[in-house]
Amino acid sequence: KNEVEQSPQNLTAQEGEFITINCSYSVGISALHWLQQHPGGGIVSLFMLSSGKKKHGRLIATINIQEKHSSLHITASHPRDSAVYICAVSTNTDKLIFGTGTRLQVFP
Amino acid sequence: EPEVTQTPSHQVTQMGQEVILRCVPISNHLYFYWYRQILGQKVEFLVSFYNNEISEKSEIFDDQFSVERPDGSNFTLKIRSTKLEDSAMYFCASSLLAAANNEQFFGPGTRLTVL
Repeated sequence: KNEVEQSPQNLTAQEGEFITINCSYSVGISALHWLQQHPGGGIVSLFMLSSGKKKHGRLIATINIQEKHSSLHITASHPRDSAVYICAVSTNTDKLIFGTGTRLQVFP
Repeated sequence: EPEVTQTPSHQVTQMGQEVILRCVPISNHLYFYWYRQILGQKVEFLVSFYNNEISEKSEIFDDQFSVERPDGSNFTLKIRSTKLEDSAMYFCASSLLAAANNEQFFGPGTRLTVL
C-alpha cells in the first residue's frame, strides 16, 4: 500500500472551474508538501504545511492532521494551471515520500 | 531569485558506462538530496546529504551510486556502471534546514537515458 495516495489520478476541467485534488497519507508526518510538475519535468514547490490552511493567489491548501488528509484547491482555473500536482510528505527523516500525482488539464 | 541548477539536461550513455550528474544547490542551503523519477512513475527518494556525509539513503541507492560535494558548490551523483533500469529523470534538491520542516527547492532535472 502506498504511504501517500492522491485522487483523482487525472482531472479535466473547463477554464474557470473550481478544482480540488485530494491527498491521504498513512504515516506520521512533520509536514505535507504540494508540488507542481510541468510537462518539461521541472518540479516547483507550491506549499508546505503542517496544520490549517495556506493561500497563494488562486491556490489554497488545507490539511486535517487528525484525518491524515489534505486538499489542494484551484479557484478560477486557467489553461496555464495544466500540470501534474504532487502531494509529498516529510516524516522525521530527511526524505520526502511522494504520491503518484494528479494530472490536471484545463481547457479554454 | 536563487535556484538549483543541474547539468546536463539530458545524458545518453551506454549500459555499463559511468555517469556523473551535477547539481549546484542554492548557495546558503545545508541539506542536499537526489531523487529519481522513472517515466510514468512517482518520484522516489535516493539520498540525502548533510555536513559532507550521507544522512539517509534508500534501498535504491546501492553500491553503484555515490554522492559527493567536491568543492563547496557542486553536488554530484555518480552511477558507476549504468543499467537499463537507471534510465530516469534525476532531480537534485536543496533546503536550508532539514526536510522535516523545511521547503525543498528542486532543480530542473537531468534526463538519463541508458542504451
